[in-house]
Amino acid sequence: DTGVSQDPRHKITKRGQNVTFRCDPISEHNRLYWYRQTLGQGPEFLTYFQNEAQLEKSRLLSDRFSAERPKGSFSTLEIQRTEQGDSAMYLCASSLSVRNTEAFFGQGTRLTVV
Amino acid sequence: AQSVTQLDSQVPVFEEAPVELRCNYSSSVSVYLFWYVQYPNQGLQLLLKYLSGSTLVKGINGFEAEFNKSQTSFHLRKPSVHISDTAEYFCAVSYTGNQFYFGTGTSLTVIP
Repeated sequence: DTGVSQDPRHKITKRGQNVTFRCDPISEHNRLYWYRQTLGQGPEFLTYFQNEAQLEKSRLLSDRFSAERPKGSFSTLEIQRTEQGDSAMYLCASSLSVRNTEAFFGQGTRLTVV
Repeated sequence: AQSVTQLDSQVPVFEEAPVELRCNYSSSVSVYLFWYVQYPNQGLQLLLKYLSGSTLVKGINGFEAEFNKSQTSFHLRKPSVHISDTAEYFCAVSYTGNQFYFGTGTSLTVIP
């Protein structure tokens, strides 16, 4: 399968712990996005990369959140000192940098903070 | 400001009946519109997209949508639904091509 893959699919953590998620985009895609989705809501934009450069960050992305894409391929999203409000599905998507092309989504990582 | 509004949070429909899922967006000079489907515990899958050209767009699984600039709408339709169409449907808009804004979703339930 050459789609977007995310790891892990599920993560349960205790409040205050740090967690890290990984996303492997479609290989020829140079744009990578992170979204967060809570129950009953649509995906909310967090941040996106063009190659290794993080070009935009949402105000939703607090100081406890950090995303990297060191070599312009895979990306990691780290949440430090997790809170119960961080419980959500974290979706990664990738696309070509050609204007107006659609984003292809991974299956997501479901985070539960207890 | 809300960029995308999906007016119906839940739509129940009988199998083989037609369905329309409504989507309205905030007007802009350039707008690019998408419909995605999400099955339980899955990511989003593209159904169709409008970038330019013909206002009637056909997608996968027999879905189609019509771009209406004057009404700033992009409603999704299917003439005859199947049980397997039960899922969450999201309308999305991109203004600059750099970011996608999603609606809150419409849960379509097909009743046998």
